[in-house]
Amino acid sequence: QVQLLQWGAGLLKPSETLSLTCDVDGGSVSGYYWTWIRQSPGKGLEWIGDINQSGVTDYTPSLKSRITITLDTSRNQVSLKLGSVTAADTALYYCARRVAKWFDPWGQGTLVTVSS
Amino acid sequence: QSALTQPASVSGSPGQSITISCTGTSSDIGGYNYVSWYQRHPGKAPKLIIYDVSDRASGISNRFSGSKSGNTASLTISGLQAEDEADYYCGSYTSSLTWVFGGGTKVTVL
Repeated sequence: QVQLLQWGAGLLKPSETLSLTCDVDGGSVSGYYWTWIRQSPGKGLEWIGDINQSGVTDYTPSLKSRITITLDTSRNQVSLKLGSVTAADTALYYCARRVAKWFDPWGQGTLVTVSS
Repeated sequence: QSALTQPASVSGSPGQSITISCTGTSSDIGGYNYVSWYQRHPGKAPKLIIYDVSDRASGISNRFSGSKSGNTASLTISGLQAEDEADYYCGSYTSSLTWVFGGGTKVTVL
């Protein structure tokens, strides 16, 4: 059974770069899309982008200039980088595997706080 | 793309049925049969329970069912149990080739 284990820095200062990694355990990254989703405090879930096994990415328009999602097939890892963070990027970040048009499974979530 | 609209909270007594609505537009829910539902217990990862409007994910109880009418999707939990107390989120594919989710509904078992 595939499990997604997330890790990365949880406290950032404004203008720094958010960097999170998702280890895919129990399965291969090949054959699927890998997605990052976040939830800001008091708000719903927000799809922020994904990547397929060929490295083709899609990003939400509002973050396109600052976001990079990469896939390391040799390490079975998916990574998220979000540059020039502000307080508005404070959120619980999830990685998830996209199967057709749904997401399963999800990682445990990483709380990222941006504060000076 | 605006978020899908869900009620903030729904409650019911054990054994009752409850329904959570999820309202979107013709550009998301109304345009595709790609609605999914997720359950999230506090501190846990979201868990897929329904995909493609009404298909139950593997291992999910048949007490959970999904449906759609126009721009509104619904999740019904029948025979409510204490373990169903959680947050529930709907999601849909959109005409912008992206995904949109709801704000979440807190289900309380009285």
